[in-house]
Amino acid sequence: DAGVIQSPRHEVTEMGQEVTLRCKPISGHNSLFWYRQTMMRGLELLIYFNNNVPIDDSGMPEDRFSAKMPNASFSTLKIQPSEPRDSAVYFCASSLGMPNTEAFFGQGTRLTVV
Amino acid sequence: AQSVAQPEDQVNVAEGNPLTVKCTYSVSGNPYLFWYVQYPNRGLQFLLKYITGDNLVKGSYGFEAEFNKSQTSFHLKKPSALVSDSALYFCAVRDQAGTALIFGKGTTLSVSS
Repeated sequence: DAGVIQSPRHEVTEMGQEVTLRCKPISGHNSLFWYRQTMMRGLELLIYFNNNVPIDDSGMPEDRFSAKMPNASFSTLKIQPSEPRDSAVYFCASSLGMPNTEAFFGQGTRLTVV
Repeated sequence: AQSVAQPEDQVNVAEGNPLTVKCTYSVSGNPYLFWYVQYPNRGLQFLLKYITGDNLVKGSYGFEAEFNKSQTSFHLKKPSALVSDSALYFCAVRDQAGTALIFGKGTTLSVSS
């Protein structure tokens, strides 16, 4: 298996533009997590899906952020409009549905909003 | 809600010496506990986990961790550190209800030769 695949690896965009980050989880995994990593705040959970259904989105910063999981093999995280403070590394992770199973992380998308 | 604390931002140790990276947690009920490592410009890699049973858990690259329920701790240990162990280490917790995996802020381990 190729692991969790995220695209793009790097994204530079201007303030106010829409940004879409993509994630393909490991085949057979039915839990998916989106995290944001910054120096100041560490690794923050944004949203958690189980069986394609959002279970916990309390970490989504504000209405500018939205996430979807239309099927078991694809998820998107959208920011519109983007702001410089959104600059961070965004990680997607997936796991089997049992809570005692470890999550596997993608390589991350480094987002820079100028 | 569950939470994780890693009280040290950085741990420095000489190569060959034992290392400990500390983690304490808060969760309702029994926890599932995890350690991950992150190398520069990479995603997180799973090291080991505690589910139940033996309090001493062994994982990848010679790492082990000790679960202590009374102290709500899950410290990461290695008997002899390598320079290549230098990285950012994260502790994480999940409760048995299957809520999301929550991470601590991370501890930078620096091993000097």
